[in-house]
Amino acid sequence: QKEVEQNSGPLSVPEGAIASLNCTYSDRGSQSFFWYRQYSGKSPELIMFIYSNGDKEDGRFTAQLNKASQYVSLLIRDSQPSDSATYLCAVPNTGNQFYFGTGTSLTVIP
Amino acid sequence: EPEVTQTPSHQVTQMGQEVILRCVPISNHLYFYWYRQILGQKVEFLVSFYNNEISEKSEIFDDQFSVERPDGSNFTLKIRSTKLEDSAMYFCASTLRGFDEKLLFGSGTQLSVL
Repeated sequence: QKEVEQNSGPLSVPEGAIASLNCTYSDRGSQSFFWYRQYSGKSPELIMFIYSNGDKEDGRFTAQLNKASQYVSLLIRDSQPSDSATYLCAVPNTGNQFYFGTGTSLTVIP
Repeated sequence: EPEVTQTPSHQVTQMGQEVILRCVPISNHLYFYWYRQILGQKVEFLVSFYNNEISEKSEIFDDQFSVERPDGSNFTLKIRSTKLEDSAMYFCASTLRGFDEKLLFGSGTQLSVL
């Protein structure tokens, strides 16, 4: 069983639309959840983190967490071409390792 | 804004050679990590380091790998005898206080083993 699963995409949305990225995780004891953005050839860049069930908003980004369903999502509102990247879901497990999903490739079409 | 610094940005080596990848974590961070990412694949955990010792390591981190914090600032990853399959981007990262905090990455070292 994979620790963190994401749809690899690619996901394409038109500029100005909402992009929805999803992630499931296997370790029920995980308490914190992170979304990273990775441009090609670059290192992952932290964009959102969430610890509590529900929604957390930061500018155009909203993270949603449902611990009962072991599900975390990222919504990007008013998508811009500069949002085109791979989005990585990362979940530290109870063994103190960060597990990363394979990432979802997002393309925002102008 | 403080950042994790990695050198070199690119390293080319012959199979069987030793390489040392260097990192300077954020100065007040206490937990340090190495990750790697093979081209087109996911970011994989190698090792975590706290209080001058390894806290956790993955199956990838075998006897060919070692980490050191030789002074108060540098954090190094050594691969003793490189293999072709060690070719990857290696990322150093650090967190302030714990293993479940915001993981901040350096810009990476692209290692190519020929």
